[in-house]
Amino acid sequence: EVQLVQSGAEVKKPGESLRISCRGSGYSFTTYWISWVRQMPGKGLEWLGRIDPSDSYTNYNPSFRGHVTVSTDKSISTAYLQWSSLKASDTATYYCARYFPGTWHFDLWGRGTLVTVSS
Amino acid sequence: QSVLTQPPSVSGAPGQRVTISCTGSSSNIGAGYDVHWYRQFPGTAPQLLIYDNTNRPSGVPDRFSGSKFGTSASLTISGLQADDEADYYCQSYDSGLGSYVFGTETKVTVL
Repeated sequence: EVQLVQSGAEVKKPGESLRISCRGSGYSFTTYWISWVRQMPGKGLEWLGRIDPSDSYTNYNPSFRGHVTVSTDKSISTAYLQWSSLKASDTATYYCARYFPGTWHFDLWGRGTLVTVSS
Repeated sequence: QSVLTQPPSVSGAPGQRVTISCTGSSSNIGAGYDVHWYRQFPGTAPQLLIYDNTNRPSGVPDRFSGSKFGTSASLTISGLQADDEADYYCQSYDSGLGSYVFGTETKVTVL
């Protein structure tokens, strides 16, 4: 089955670091780019950034550049989203989604990882 | 704040047709970037509904159709069904922001 499998929910304190993951299965992981999308509680979707798993080239939404880092380990078909210092405002569900280079839509989504940041 | 504007809600009776608008600008939809639509049920991930303005992925019924004109796009749901109740989002790319952008969500209610 073609799917993106995301890591489980996390509860962290402000200032802590965190890395969440997204593993692709059932397809050639390096053929598709991976994007990360944030959804704050009761709110809409926001694109954070993307990575090309074949060469780890990244692009970021300027609003999030410097606060999150997208990376990948293609040997285990996994992409990561990480924070070095979480804020309470990072509380949200984070989705990974894939898209084929040259297209502009996300055809497959992970189930999401809920990140709760609270003191 | 999103650069793509959708109505907060639309509603209709079963069997009726509803249309969701997505209004952008000259740096996104008006610049020629395609519009895509997603449906999200509560507590679940978004699912692709329409891509490249008018195309349906395999498995999406032809009750769903999309169009694009100028700086706007729309999603039409014909023959509204109870299980169409969900949140719907448009998505495009904005060259000014250098970012993929989503519309403000539209909640569809079946009366």
